[in-house]
Amino acid sequence: GAGVSQTPSNKVTEKGKYVELRCDPISGHTALYWYRQSLGQGPEFLIYFQGTGAADDSGLPNDRFFAVRPEGSVSTLKIQRTERGDSAVYLCASSAGTKNTGELFFGEGSRLTVL
Amino acid sequence: AQSVAQPEDQVNVAEGNPLTVKCTYSVSGNPYLFWYVQYPNRGLQFLLKYITGDNLVKGSYGFEAEFNKSQTSFHLKKPSALVSDSALYFCAVRKGNTPLVFGKGTRLSVIA
Repeated sequence: GAGVSQTPSNKVTEKGKYVELRCDPISGHTALYWYRQSLGQGPEFLIYFQGTGAADDSGLPNDRFFAVRPEGSVSTLKIQRTERGDSAVYLCASSAGTKNTGELFFGEGSRLTVL
Repeated sequence: AQSVAQPEDQVNVAEGNPLTVKCTYSVSGNPYLFWYVQYPNRGLQFLLKYITGDNLVKGSYGFEAEFNKSQTSFHLKKPSALVSDSALYFCAVRKGNTPLVFGKGTRLSVIA
């Protein structure tokens, strides 16, 4: 596709429910990132994939959060037993190659609201 | 660990005037520095980056930024602001293969 696509754009769920957020990166981009942005804050790093493997998952806040990228393209961020504090905009970004000097291309985000 | 500070939550400037959005960073060694812009209901868009070389970096939409190693700063500038520049601006830093770390953002408001 032309850009990074994220679905759903909005998700409202109840506390304790399970949620999946999907990211479709720019075609050919091998690196994929998940960030979380709370109101009034900058994006906060969650996890980074290079190909199919998680190269760095140090930003995942706890074991309720998990992400996969089984075929090295689309990624899914999974949140179990959601809590109200999980409410935020979840951003996905991709970049070409392994160069750490390359810019990230962001999707428009998935806004998660936990009631 | 690296970090970024954007000391101003809000910057107001009149259309046609020069604008500056401030950013200072903390990282050991040589940083890679970035500016992103976020328009309402849109994703973050890359503006410019400093990797190495000339301290003055030019980017999209007429923006530029100056890397100052002694002051550990990377302020974003534009000679003449437009109303359409009104948005949320984020400075970010990374070192080596570590993840990109963002500041909390500065809201720029350009008044006609």
